[in-house]
Amino acid sequence: GENVEQHPSTLSVQEGDSAVIKCTYSDSASNYFPWYKQELGKRPQLIIDIRSNVGEKKDQRIAVTLNKTAKHFSLHITETQPEDSAVYFCAASIRSGAGSYQLTFGKGTKLSVIP
Amino acid sequence: NAGVMQNPRHLVRRRGQEARLRCSPMKGHSHVYWYRQLPEEGLKFMVYLQKENIIDESGMPKERFSAEFPKEGPSILRIQQVVRGDSAAYFCASSRSYEQYFGPGTRLTVT
Repeated sequence: GENVEQHPSTLSVQEGDSAVIKCTYSDSASNYFPWYKQELGKRPQLIIDIRSNVGEKKDQRIAVTLNKTAKHFSLHITETQPEDSAVYFCAASIRSGAGSYQLTFGKGTKLSVIP
Repeated sequence: NAGVMQNPRHLVRRRGQEARLRCSPMKGHSHVYWYRQLPEEGLKFMVYLQKENIIDESGMPKERFSAEFPKEGPSILRIQQVVRGDSAAYFCASSRSYEQYFGPGTRLTVT
């Protein structure tokens, strides 16, 4: 099955700096890559996603890049703010024969933005 | 995603009891996924359902766990004879195609 590795596990940045989180996946058939933000005790919140026919997608301060050849994708947050502090999860998905888009998650990156 | 509802939010069960977790998807969504999250871990897929059908249960333990999504009412994840290792946060996600939106989760504690 699919395996997703995520690095780093913890990341501290100064407010205003950029943060980059990287993930690799094992199954070349994966074609959908969402990123979730989870604050302590809260639900995972979908913040951005990318499909395999696109190399880059941007939404305000957040961008995601995908390299299908190398099987890795990254989350970039610019001009970080204290409210960006949370655990970020990457995930990969393949549409199964049964129509399931089950997500395989990385283990998460705890981002701390220092004011 | 505020539309995905789960209850209860917290559930305490003694070993050997049954746990029932409920999930109501967003309006217009007919796909429900269940995931389990252990402390300091990512989410692990358990089961995928559509109305009245279990489509993919490849992540579900073979014993004690079952799920349903009836024609009327919420999806239910049922854990029989709970053990301490079942303590975790259980999240459901609803979807119309590939984007999945999560509910607030049920935190199960087995004492």
